[in-house]
Amino acid sequence: GAVVSQHPSWVICKSGTSVKIECRSLDFQATTMFWYRQFPKQSLMLMATSNEGSKATYEQGVEKDKFLINHASLTLSTLTVTSAHPEDSSFYICSAREDTESQRVGLTDTQYFGPGTRLTVL
Amino acid sequence: AQTVTQSQPEMSVQEAETVTLSCTYDTSESDYYLFWYKQPPSRQMILVIRQEAYKQQNATENRFSVNFQKAAKSFSLKISDSQLGDAAMYFCAYLTSYGKLTFGQGTILTVHP
Repeated sequence: GAVVSQHPSWVICKSGTSVKIECRSLDFQATTMFWYRQFPKQSLMLMATSNEGSKATYEQGVEKDKFLINHASLTLSTLTVTSAHPEDSSFYICSAREDTESQRVGLTDTQYFGPGTRLTVL
Repeated sequence: AQTVTQSQPEMSVQEAETVTLSCTYDTSESDYYLFWYKQPPSRQMILVIRQEAYKQQNATENRFSVNFQKAAKSFSLKISDSQLGDAAMYFCAYLTSYGKLTFGQGTILTVHP
C-alpha cells in the first residue's frame, strides 16, 4: 500500500526557533498534500492544503506567515513553524493524495496519512 | 460548510461483543464520500471503511460495517466480534468536493477482555 513518511517523528525546540517538518510520499506521486494539527484526545484540524508548484491554501484562522508550507516536488511537502512558541506545541500530521487520472473525488481520492510529528516548544 | 458530529466521546465493549459508533453529518451536496478512520495509541491514522453516497448498499470490511442513512445524514460504524486491537480513537470523516476531509470529534473505544 501507499506509504507516507514524516520526519522527524518528534522534536523539542526552544521558544523563538524555527522547526521544519517533512512529509514524503514514498511510492506514489502526490500533487496535493494536507497538513493537520491535533491536540491530545481531540480531532484533526486541517491547517492547509499544499499544492506542488503553487502556493498553499490556508484554512481560516491559520497564520500563513507562521506556518510556512513548501511543496517543492511531487513527493515532498515541508511545514516550517517559524518563531515557535509553547502554544505551537502539538501533534502535526500530514496526508498525501495519490495522483490518478480520474478527477472524480472518491475512491481515487484516497488520502494516505503520515505517522505524525510531535512538536514540543520549551 | 459541512459538519460532522460524533456524539459519543467514549464507548466501551466486551471482547467478542458488538459495538456501534454513531456519526451524523450536515451537507448540501448530493455526491460525497464518508469514511471511518481508526487512530490507535501510535497515532497513525488507519482507514477502516469508506462509503460512497450514491451507493445505497452499506459498505462492509470484514468485521466492520456501516449503516448509511442518507436521508437522515447518519453514518454509524458497527464493529462485530470486537478484539483488543480494536481499542483506539475512531473518527468519522466527510470528503468534500474540494478533496478536503472534515473530521468528527472522535470516539474513544475501550475493549474489555
